[in-house]
Amino acid sequence: SQQGEEDPQALSIQEGENATMNCSYKTSINNLQWYRQNSGRGLVHLILIRSNEREKHSGRLRVTLDTSKKSSSLLITASRAADTASYFCAPSSGNTPLVFGKGTRLSVIA
Amino acid sequence: DAGITQSPRYKITETGRQVTLMCHQTWSHSYMFWYRQDLGHGLRLIYYSAAADITDKGEVPDGYVVSRSKTENFPLTLESATRSQTSVYFCATTPGLAGNEQFFGPGTRLTVL
Repeated sequence: SQQGEEDPQALSIQEGENATMNCSYKTSINNLQWYRQNSGRGLVHLILIRSNEREKHSGRLRVTLDTSKKSSSLLITASRAADTASYFCAPSSGNTPLVFGKGTRLSVIA
Repeated sequence: DAGITQSPRYKITETGRQVTLMCHQTWSHSYMFWYRQDLGHGLRLIYYSAAADITDKGEVPDGYVVSRSKTENFPLTLESATRSQTSVYFCATTPGLAGNEQFFGPGTRLTVL
C-alpha cells in the first residue's frame, strides 16, 4: 500500500471562492480516490480517477491526475460552508488496501 | 437498514480491560477494514479481511485481535486496553480492492482511562 500526501495541511477560504488541494504519491498507480470527512464522521467517497484519465468532474468537483509528476489535485468550485471538512486522497495500485494520509482541513467561512 | 454500522458509538474503559468493537455490513462485501484515527496521524490501518476466515495485518496491528467468522461481521478486540489505544476507530468495507470505493462506518470513539 502507498500513502498519498495531501497539501496544504489546512486551508481557509471565503464562501464562493474556489478551493484547491493537492496530493502527491511515490509509485505508479491504477487509480486515485478522494474522500471527504466531516467532523466526527466516517469518510465519504467523492471521486475516483483512473491512471489513464487526466481530468474528471463531478458536480462542483474537478480532479486532475498527472502520472508523470505523481500528483493529483482536487478543485472545489464556488465553495459553501457545508464543504468545510477534511479531504483525503488514496492512491491505489489495485491489489492492496487503501492507506490514508493526514488530509487537508478545509474551512469555508460564510 | 442497508449499510455499515458500528457499535458502540462511544466507549470508556479502563487500562487492562478487554473491549470489543463491532462492525456489521449488509452488502455482503468481501473486504472489511479497521482503521484508527488520531490527531496528527491521519487514518492508520489496523487489520483487514478479504473474506470470512481470512485476515491480514495492517500498519498498526499490535494490541489488537480480529476475527471474521461471518462475511457481514468484523469485530475488533483490544485484549488488554492501554491509554495509547484511546482513539476513534472506523470500520470500512468494499466489494474489492481494484477500483472500488470504500464505505465507512460512523466510527467508535474509545477512551481508555
